[in-house]
Amino acid sequence: NAGVTQTPKFRILKIGQSMTLQCTQDMNHNYMYWYRQDPGMGLKLIYYSVGAGITDKGEVPNGYNVSRSTTEDFPLRLELAAPSQTSVYFCASSPGQGRFFGPGTRLTVL
Amino acid sequence: GQQLNQSPQSMFIQEGEDVSMNCTSSSIFNTWLWYKQDPGEGPVLLIALYKAGELTSNGRLTAQFGITRKDSFLNISASIPSDVGIYFCAGLFSSGSARQLTFGSGTQLTVLP
Repeated sequence: NAGVTQTPKFRILKIGQSMTLQCTQDMNHNYMYWYRQDPGMGLKLIYYSVGAGITDKGEVPNGYNVSRSTTEDFPLRLELAAPSQTSVYFCASSPGQGRFFGPGTRLTVL
Repeated sequence: GQQLNQSPQSMFIQEGEDVSMNCTSSSIFNTWLWYKQDPGEGPVLLIALYKAGELTSNGRLTAQFGITRKDSFLNISASIPSDVGIYFCAGLFSSGSARQLTFGSGTQLTVLP
């Protein structure tokens, strides 16, 4: 199993641009999550999904959108990038309580 | 919302020493998790605790779920250079389909040779 994979690993955006961060898991987990990690901070939950077709907001959802059309994929969409969205983004999946994290996407918005 | 206080923020220890870090919360949790994050990587689960009072070991790591369900600690014995990294506690409160995991701010561990 590849576990949780994320693409891209790095990205630089200009203010106002949009992009999609990809996340795929091959463990058949129902639960998937998107977190952001700012320097020196813990992880903040952006959105989560309890199964295909079901998504819900986390702590910091503003400026982001998600979709969950399949069990495997949980893309995160930034529509109008802002400097405040400069962060490292982690996708995670879970069969229940623990979280399995991807390697992260480092995003810089200039 | 639920908040976790993790301490210390950073630690510098000599190789071979034991180290302890802890997390406290104003709310109770049903599950406590401890993660380690290496530079440029995602967090990796070290230990999961599911019952108040539970004491669990994973090699040189030992963690406990506090009796009050509002705290947890992680001990690392006989530290080695590869223990360097950021350690995060996380508390999970499951209510129906809501499985919100709250993370502490992390403890940066440096092991000196």
